Amino acid sequence: QSALTQPRSVSGSPGQSVTLSCTGTSSDVGGYNYVSWYQQHPGKAPKLMIYDVSKRPSGVPDRFSGSKSGNTASLTISGLQAEDEADYYCCSYAGSLYVFGTGTKVTVL
Amino acid sequence: EVQLVESGGGLVKPGGSLRLSCAASGLTFSNVWMSWVRQAPGKGLEWVGRITSKTDGGTTYYAAPVKGRFTISRDDSKNTLYLQMDSLKTEDAALYYCTTLTSGRIDFWGQGTLVTVSS
Repeated sequence: QSALTQPRSVSGSPGQSVTLSCTGTSSDVGGYNYVSWYQQHPGKAPKLMIYDVSKRPSGVPDRFSGSKSGNTASLTISGLQAEDEADYYCCSYAGSLYVFGTGTKVTVL
Repeated sequence: EVQLVESGGGLVKPGGSLRLSCAASGLTFSNVWMSWVRQAPGKGLEWVGRITSKTDGGTTYYAAPVKGRFTISRDDSKNTLYLQMDSLKTEDAALYYCTTLTSGRIDFWGQGTLVTVSS
């Protein structure tokens, strides 16, 4: 099972919106509505931001939203804030196993 | 509050073995599916494997790179998850996270335990 493909980096100014993509196959992203997104700050454990493609856990700001079309999932951060600067990983269920994306570094300019 | 505390990491020679533990609290451990995720230094996340709850069969599943070498087990009486790692390779060096697994998502993560594989 190959890693899901994410852009290496994305940047935006405070207040702007950025969209991160996560491309897989029909065996993972396209085959199940079990796509989740994780935020990881340097030296910290990852944190769940989005699950089941578009659901937000309690406590996650509504600036974070998720969607999916075919084999590609997306995470949009609206109203970018300085604390959003971090690495972001997508993850998909792939039938008994899970596969992570390659990760995207979000930089707030 | 859910807490997952990993231990057992350290330096091991290629070909050696190591057993990681994860002590869980703040949840009904016996009802929870658990998994291990690793992250090599400066690299991305990699899913290692999972174990279901005993009521769901206690079955395990592993990622291809570790299948046949790693074994996940659990002791519900001790609220503890284990990862037995045998025939270790240099590419297994990573920070190993213990996580909960709920309906297709990883809810909670520990802080990780570092495994170094070097001669």
